[in-house]
Amino acid sequence: EAQVTQNPRYLITVTGKKLTVTCSQNMNHEYMSWYRQDPGLGLRQIYYSMNVEVTDKGDVPEGYKVSRKEKRNFPLILESPSPNQTSLYFCASRKQGGYQPQHFGDGTRLSIL
Amino acid sequence: GQQLNQSPQSMFIQEGEDVSMNCTSSSIFNTWLWYKQEPGEGPVLLIALYKAGELTSNGRLTAQFGITRKDSFLNISASIPSDVGIYFCAGLELRGKLIFGQGTELSVKP
Repeated sequence: EAQVTQNPRYLITVTGKKLTVTCSQNMNHEYMSWYRQDPGLGLRQIYYSMNVEVTDKGDVPEGYKVSRKEKRNFPLILESPSPNQTSLYFCASRKQGGYQPQHFGDGTRLSIL
Repeated sequence: GQQLNQSPQSMFIQEGEDVSMNCTSSSIFNTWLWYKQEPGEGPVLLIALYKAGELTSNGRLTAQFGITRKDSFLNISASIPSDVGIYFCAGLELRGKLIFGQGTELSVKP
């Protein structure tokens, strides 16, 4: 089954404690991206990757890092989380070229205390 | 970053009623998309629109790509309880980036 898998689904942690949210897709998609969803703001792109070792900033990259060492994985790293990063995060992937539908993961709810 | 203006923000309707929501942008998009998000899940694509003026249906859902390429609307006819969720419009920029609207939260009363 075609899937985008995020882990963990829920995490409560404290300010400053580094965390990583993993994202994996099994569709051999080139393009992957991370979004955060906040009430009244919709989904905003944090980072995206067009292919292995190619990443770029989205609209709200501050406080986040990503890496793309393998095609299937695109982890989101919060080196020093702060309360304003409390949000619902989605990873998505799609094939490159023209418009291809994005497949979203089921989301990760992060609470930073 | 740019955002789309989506309205209304929320709707409370009776089962069987029709629903209409829309998105506007200050920029032109070549592709408009409509997604639905249910609790605990990621957005799922409902309809994709590729040409200005295009009207596309998917069951009880109908969406149109505005002639100016700066707006789109989604209609749901004869709503049912499982239509509950958050509906997002999205415009696709040339370099493949999706810009999302703020979402319309739909509640359907049986």
